[in-house]
Amino acid sequence: SQQGEEDPQALSIQEGENATMNCSYKTSINNLQWYRQNSGRGLVHLILIRSNEREKHSGRLRVTLDTSKKSSSLLITASRAADTASYFCAAGDSGGYQKVTFGTGTKLQVIP
Amino acid sequence: GAGVSQSPSNKVTEKGKDVELRCDPISGHTALYWYRQSLGQGLEFLIYFQGNSAPDKSGLPSDRFSAERTGGSVSTLTIQRTQQEDSAVYLCASSQTPYYEQYFGPGTRLTVT
Repeated sequence: SQQGEEDPQALSIQEGENATMNCSYKTSINNLQWYRQNSGRGLVHLILIRSNEREKHSGRLRVTLDTSKKSSSLLITASRAADTASYFCAAGDSGGYQKVTFGTGTKLQVIP
Repeated sequence: GAGVSQSPSNKVTEKGKDVELRCDPISGHTALYWYRQSLGQGLEFLIYFQGNSAPDKSGLPSDRFSAERTGGSVSTLTIQRTQQEDSAVYLCASSQTPYYEQYFGPGTRLTVT
């Protein structure tokens, strides 16, 4: 099963609204990363939060991490039509293999 | 600078044939990852290289799949006796070191007919 699982699977909002996506993971992590994939294009790294951090900001992005609940959330504020994409969380295992495992993604649609 | 490149961008092959997919990571990146993404699905981890060695091969779906990396740079993913269920986009990513952000290539779309 996937290490990271996003919730919801799909989200549709109006331009200007905030979008929140959640990610749960199963094992101990070194870090958690969020990526965006636009339709038909490659994945782009958005933000990385380390296991000893609780919150991180980057522009209109805010990521939180709760290691006790093994969960993370990604908030996109003041959404734009260009934010329409699939968003994936990726959990970096703290084990010896140092593997980063991606979740199944949240499809976000921002309606102009 | 140059990003991660993959070739070919598209590959159509007949069932039973072997295919080789190539990944050129960003220069100096020690970690290299292969993933598979089926239509509308998430990323399925296949294999990870640290330098030329692969500490984790657990994601390879079957013994028809193999991968190697030479000179700490280029990697090839080989699929022998392809099956229709192998059809997917194969993505390669590299990172400066494990755990750092990964930079993805554009992928190779494999179609097995």
